[in-house]
This record gives sequence, C-alpha cells and structure tokens, in this order.
Amino acid sequence: AQSVSQHNHHVILSEAASLELGCNYSYGGTVNLFWYVQYPGQHLQLLLKYFSGDPLVKGIKGFEAEFIKSKFSFNLRKPSVQWSDTAEYFCAVTRGSTLGRLYFGRGTQLTVWP
Amino acid sequence: NAGVTQTPKFRVLKTGQSMTLLCAQDMNHEYMYWYRQDPGMGLRLIHYSVGEGTTAKGEVPDGYNVSRLKKQNFLLGLESAAPSQTSVYFCASSRDSAPYNEQFFGPGTRLTVL
Repeated sequence: AQSVSQHNHHVILSEAASLELGCNYSYGGTVNLFWYVQYPGQHLQLLLKYFSGDPLVKGIKGFEAEFIKSKFSFNLRKPSVQWSDTAEYFCAVTRGSTLGRLYFGRGTQLTVWP
Repeated sequence: NAGVTQTPKFRVLKTGQSMTLLCAQDMNHEYMYWYRQDPGMGLRLIHYSVGEGTTAKGEVPDGYNVSRLKKQNFLLGLESAAPSQTSVYFCASSRDSAPYNEQFFGPGTRLTVL
C-alpha cells in the first residue's frame, strides 16, 4: 500500500494561477516531511522541509507548505505560478524509526502554460 | 564541489548482460542511496549504505547488488539485466542518519534493457 499519497497526478495551470498540491502520509509517530522538485531533464532538488516548529514552512522560489498533523497532510502551495515552475513534484517522508530513509509519493506533474 | 555524480548517463543493455553504475559524492556524506524511478511510481529505494563497508536492502533490492568500498563511492550492479530493470536510476547521499537531513541527488542514469 502506498504510504505517501499524492492525489493529483497531473495538474495544468495558467501563469499567475494559484497552486496547491496535496500530500498525505499514513505513518504514525514522528515524521519529517519534504517536497522535492524535478525540472525537465534535471535531478531532484529540495524545495522545502519540515521537521519541527512552525508548521508553515517556506521554501525556495516562493513555495510554502503546511503541516497539519491531525490530517496527516503536508500540502504544497504557491500563490502565483510561473511557466518555469513546470516540473514534477514529489512529496517524501522520513520516519523517526527508519533513520534517513525517504519514502516518496508517486509525484505530481505540473504543467504551467504561459 | 561537484556534489553527487553518476556514471554513465545513458546505457542500453541486452537481456542477460551485466553492468555497474557508479555514484560518487564529494561532500563527505556517510549515507548513500540508490533509487529507481518509474513512471507513476515515484522513487523507490533499491539499496542504501550507512557508511563505508556497509550496505542494506531497500524496498526493491531483487536483481541488484551494491558495494561501498570507499566512503565517496557507491556502486550498483546488475548481474543479469532484465527488461523490468529498464528505469532511471538515481543515487543520493546525506550527511548522517538524522531523519531531517536533506538527501542530495545525482543527475540520474537512464537504463534500457532490451
């Protein structure tokens, strides 16, 4: 069973539209949460991460994500997307008991039309 | 500082052939990982290493072997390639076992098995 779920497989937006990509996980206990981005033809890069403190985290390029523990969610948001945000976005989780191992969601392909 | 590098970038094999993928990192990281990325599946962990001379199985280890003879290198071997191993392979490294640590990814190796 998929333990990190990304419900949107492909999202298509126009420039300046707002973005929200969903991520839910099914692990109990302590988790650390990540969003990675993969631009076309490139390797994965970290957008942002949460491990403690303020549940609203800000990352690079205007992205932010909110950790809602009661909903087991870590949704990624951006108020106004750009054509250059076209990429695949992966949510990932590490669990306190499995040192360093990342569990990835299946990814969401975002296409932004100019 | 090159980060994580992978060799080769592309490879085509025939069923039954063997090959080794090389991953190198220059960040003095303890942990290294091999993932495969398949469409709609996200990244799945094949094997990982928690330090020089140690390796462990991940989610999908069958058909692969690994070795970590030097801290900076992590090799992934396919002894007898199968079409099901057609995939993009990513290597990653992280500083230590802390689960909130970012993993740094290489550019990937696209492998096709005919």
